[in-house]
Amino acid sequence: DGGITQSPKYLFRKEGQNVTLSCEQNLNHDAMYWYRQDPGQGLRLIYYSQIVNDFQKGDIAEGYSVSREKKESFPLTVTSAQKNPTAFYLCASTSGQANTEAFFGQGTRLTVV
Amino acid sequence: QKEVEQDPGPLSVPEGAIVSLNCTYSNSAFQYFMWYRQYSRKGPELLMYTYSSGNKEDGRFTAQVDKSSKYISLFIRDSQPSDSATYLCAMSKTGGSYIPTFGRGTSLIVHP
Repeated sequence: DGGITQSPKYLFRKEGQNVTLSCEQNLNHDAMYWYRQDPGQGLRLIYYSQIVNDFQKGDIAEGYSVSREKKESFPLTVTSAQKNPTAFYLCASTSGQANTEAFFGQGTRLTVV
Repeated sequence: QKEVEQDPGPLSVPEGAIVSLNCTYSNSAFQYFMWYRQYSRKGPELLMYTYSSGNKEDGRFTAQVDKSSKYISLFIRDSQPSDSATYLCAMSKTGGSYIPTFGRGTSLIVHP
């Protein structure tokens, strides 16, 4: 079945530590996105990539980094510079063209301990 | 002003009620309108997708777009407790990158 796989489902980070969230898709989609979801704030765009080896900052990119070395993969690193990383992180993909919908992974819940 | 406004609720209704969920937007370039349903601790799943103005029906769900008023709605008929979830509207525009812009989501509770 085609879809988006995020791992891990739950992740705990110590203060000052970098952690990487995985996102893999087998939908052959060109565009991939990372969103952060906090209670009552909806989805906020962190980074997006429309093509391999290229990505752009979203609305809240500070403290995060990404790479897009393969079409299928778009990992997100939450760095120690991100002061409030506890949140639910969602990865999504679209074909990158008009008239298409976004497909989402099941999310990663990151907690700082 | 945010590009997409959506009342976060919660909206609480009895089983069997007709539910109306709404979003307003400010960018007249939006042409594609989507509704997602998100259960707690899960990723959003697409419910309805419409292009430009008009209505679209799928089972108990009807999506309505009024571009002149910059207003979209999702109606749920004969609501069920299993419809309890957060409903997010999303929109994207022609030209450029088609990145969807999301509303905050409305929490719906359907009680037996």
